[in-house]
Amino acid sequence: AQSVTQPDIHITVSEGASLELRCNYSYGATPYLFWYVQSPGQGLQLLLKYFSGDTLVQGIKGFEAEFKRSQSSFNLRKPSVHWSDAAEYFCAVGGSGTYKYIFGTGTRLKVLA
Amino acid sequence: GAVVSQHPSWVICKSGTSVKIECRSLDFQATTMFWYRQFPKQSLMLMATSNEGSKATYEQGVEKDKFLINHASLTLSTLTVTSAHPEDSSFYICSATSGDSNTEAFFGQGTRLTVV
Repeated sequence: AQSVTQPDIHITVSEGASLELRCNYSYGATPYLFWYVQSPGQGLQLLLKYFSGDTLVQGIKGFEAEFKRSQSSFNLRKPSVHWSDAAEYFCAVGGSGTYKYIFGTGTRLKVLA
Repeated sequence: GAVVSQHPSWVICKSGTSVKIECRSLDFQATTMFWYRQFPKQSLMLMATSNEGSKATYEQGVEKDKFLINHASLTLSTLTVTSAHPEDSSFYICSATSGDSNTEAFFGQGTRLTVV
């Protein structure tokens, strides 16, 4: 079965601390992987994506993610969190030629001043 | 990146009425559009896939007679929630793709539907 697992429902970090959000996927073909951020009541903003090539991808707002095929993971990282990063983060998987994305359940990030 | 616009951003309707949500690709031709539903504090669940000029394909468990989808042009898909009830209150998000395998699907900003 195809699925995305985000094991952490809530994460709280202090401003300036590093952040890692976990994402594991199960997908029957070569995965295309995405991280989106959603502020309350807002739509989705794409942070970064992985289609192929370098397994460490850089995104917007200082985020990066590393694709590890052996672990079926695509964890999102940021070295220093800002208060404005507080939001809901979604990991999603799709595939070549398919734009139907499977989303994880999301991780809500809280940032302490 | 490409722009997908949804209208309205939020809508309140009375129980029993129908409401239409539009999804437009502003700067590209969208061969395929997708409609997702997001309940409060939950993830996005795909409802249906619509291809221009053909009938939509609905995911299992989604009532096609309740959620009417029309994709009459390459830049517009509409979702009509018929005979809306309070349990239909949700956040509806569309995405669109030109079919270019080198790009992702692009998401609209979502529509908050409240049925009272």
